[in-house]
Amino acid sequence: QSVLTQPPSVSGAPGQRVTISCTGSSSNIGAGYDVHWYQQLPGAAPKLLIFRNTNRPSGVPDRFSGSKSGTSASLAITGLQAEDEGDYYCQSYDSSLSVVFGGGTKLTAL
Amino acid sequence: QLQLQESGPGLVKPSETLSLTCTVSGGSIATSSYYWGWIRQPPGKGLDWIGSIYYTGITYYNPSLKSRVTFSVDTSKNQFSLKLNSVTAADTAVYYCVRHLRYGTLDYWGQGTLLTVSS
Repeated sequence: QSVLTQPPSVSGAPGQRVTISCTGSSSNIGAGYDVHWYQQLPGAAPKLLIFRNTNRPSGVPDRFSGSKSGTSASLAITGLQAEDEGDYYCQSYDSSLSVVFGGGTKLTAL
Repeated sequence: QLQLQESGPGLVKPSETLSLTCTVSGGSIATSSYYWGWIRQPPGKGLDWIGSIYYTGITYYNPSLKSRVTFSVDTSKNQFSLKLNSVTAADTAVYYCVRHLRYGTLDYWGQGTLLTVSS
């Protein structure tokens, strides 16, 4: 049971917009801790996709965007491409410096 | 460019102690503000944080593993290590070492090493 809640799977046709939600509580996201998102392609280590809720590292396409409100956060992917297929994880902290993750969402391009 | 590389035995017997080391290159482990952590991912499952250590030796552990885990850091070798005792099949996972700021992103990851618990 993960501390942050994500849908197990989402899908969309190429070119469409999909969103992945990440729901926490007043102990983590709601306490003001930032949310970060990671992309894990098959057979690879996770890679930072969005940091501090809304920011993209250099090299991440602007098709990826993040938002945060209250005890939740969301990752949006516009113009879905086949290469975006993989697993996506949200991550935050709780007050004891514990790193907390969502259970992961498997993205499928139909 | 900072690089992290995990090393370990690959196979451990049930009830034994798992030992893994992460070697950091391209930067110093004794860098102010950065923490060094361990994340694991059981086959086909999600990411679990095991804990983090600061170069001074301050540690933070996942409460669910705290009774079985010990971290250490060797600044002279630019390495940090994990020991997990009394392992069971449930500890079979890919183990990643990571770097992060306090309450920040996990910005650098090792490639991961598969640790299998089996007799």
